[in-house]
Amino acid sequence: EDQVTQSPEALRLQEGESSSLNCSYTVSGLRGLFWYRQDPGKGPEFLFTLYSAGEEKEKERLKATLTKKESFLHITAPKPEDSATYLCAVQVNNNDMRFGAGTRLTVKP
Amino acid sequence: NAGVTQTPKFRVLKTGQSMTLLCAQDMNHEYMYWYRQDPGMGLRLIHYSVGEGTTAKGEVPDGYNVSRLKKQNFLLGLESAAPSQTSVYFCASRRQSTDTQYFGPGTRLTVL
Repeated sequence: EDQVTQSPEALRLQEGESSSLNCSYTVSGLRGLFWYRQDPGKGPEFLFTLYSAGEEKEKERLKATLTKKESFLHITAPKPEDSATYLCAVQVNNNDMRFGAGTRLTVKP
Repeated sequence: NAGVTQTPKFRVLKTGQSMTLLCAQDMNHEYMYWYRQDPGMGLRLIHYSVGEGTTAKGEVPDGYNVSRLKKQNFLLGLESAAPSQTSVYFCASRRQSTDTQYFGPGTRLTVL
């Protein structure tokens, strides 16, 4: 069965304290792995797509990496405005995308 | 360019009532999707459409119907609402040539 598991469920960081969020997956055939950011009361906002093991993408303080079994979202020197829920999703076929439950990140000043 | 918009933002229904949620996109995307998001769970796909006049079932389609009469609009209907359908509903769309889905702001539905 296709599954996506994100850990931890919640993470509290001090401003400037770097850390990583994990997304592990078991799917029959990975077509792509996606990271989204979701602010309270809003829809998910696209961050990155990764397609093959070893691939990395960066945007400001965020860097996403991909292996054959998991993806990491590294947050370097986070700021309070990085507080949000980060969602991971894997595309298993043309129209089937499976989402993890998300990691709720809080960055305190 | 408004992207993906959803109407209404909030709605409260009584058990057995019916309603329709509207999703509109102005990006000329071919594919459109309806998801529901429940606490502690990932987004789950209800129905999707690969083009005007076509729809297909997703992971959790029971109790919902959809229609795509125009390319820019995707409607989600609840014929007889149940408390288990209390959720936040998100619409998304994408181009046929890419994998990235773009989401609307959501509709919070409560069924009493």
